[in-house]
Amino acid sequence: QQQVKQSPQSLIVQKGGISIINCAYENTAFDYFPWYQQFPGKGPALLIAIRPDVSEKKEGRFTISFNKSAKQFSLHIMDSQPGDSATYFCAAGNSTSGTYKYIFGTGTRLKVLA
Amino acid sequence: DSGVTQTPKHLITATGQRVTLRCSPRSGDLSVYWYQQSLDQGLQFLIQYYNGEERAKGNILERFSAQQFPDLHSELNLSSLELGDSALYFCAREETQYFGPGTRLLVL
Repeated sequence: QQQVKQSPQSLIVQKGGISIINCAYENTAFDYFPWYQQFPGKGPALLIAIRPDVSEKKEGRFTISFNKSAKQFSLHIMDSQPGDSATYFCAAGNSTSGTYKYIFGTGTRLKVLA
Repeated sequence: DSGVTQTPKHLITATGQRVTLRCSPRSGDLSVYWYQQSLDQGLQFLIQYYNGEERAKGNILERFSAQQFPDLHSELNLSSLELGDSALYFCAREETQYFGPGTRLLVL
């Protein structure tokens, strides 16, 4: 129940295309869903996050779509660029005792071809 | 800039040994979170400290321990190391919004 399932494991997209990464969770106690971007040799960096009271959040070329009833959320990268090539992690978090704890997905390695 | 400094960047040691990883968050940050990233287990939350006190615990082994000092830097101590402890260890601040660059630990 604590798992976050992420797919696909890897993704190759042409420059200018749309990259879509999906995540699913089971625990309905989760109330915060961030996405992280990680480049080789670096720590994950928070990209965008959503709470379950909205169905979509957009920041620049990055959009999260959230389906509460299906317990699924996805990251869409519009107009994908070679510089977007990285590993992307979804996460689900909930607050206990005033602090958030997160379960991370297994990651999606994205490669955008020039 | 994540505002988090971690040392060392790389660490190579042998099984059975003990190592200490250091994390220094941005001045004034009271919270520090430790994470382990390995190929088989992915990114896992280990432990959180807030203003010197342990606040939350995740999948941290008994051989591992952490502490946060009065100047708010934190240390993660890994003892009786096993091959499977080889991983990247990250600390993060501000509710895991900002991760440090990590320490890559290799246990031979």
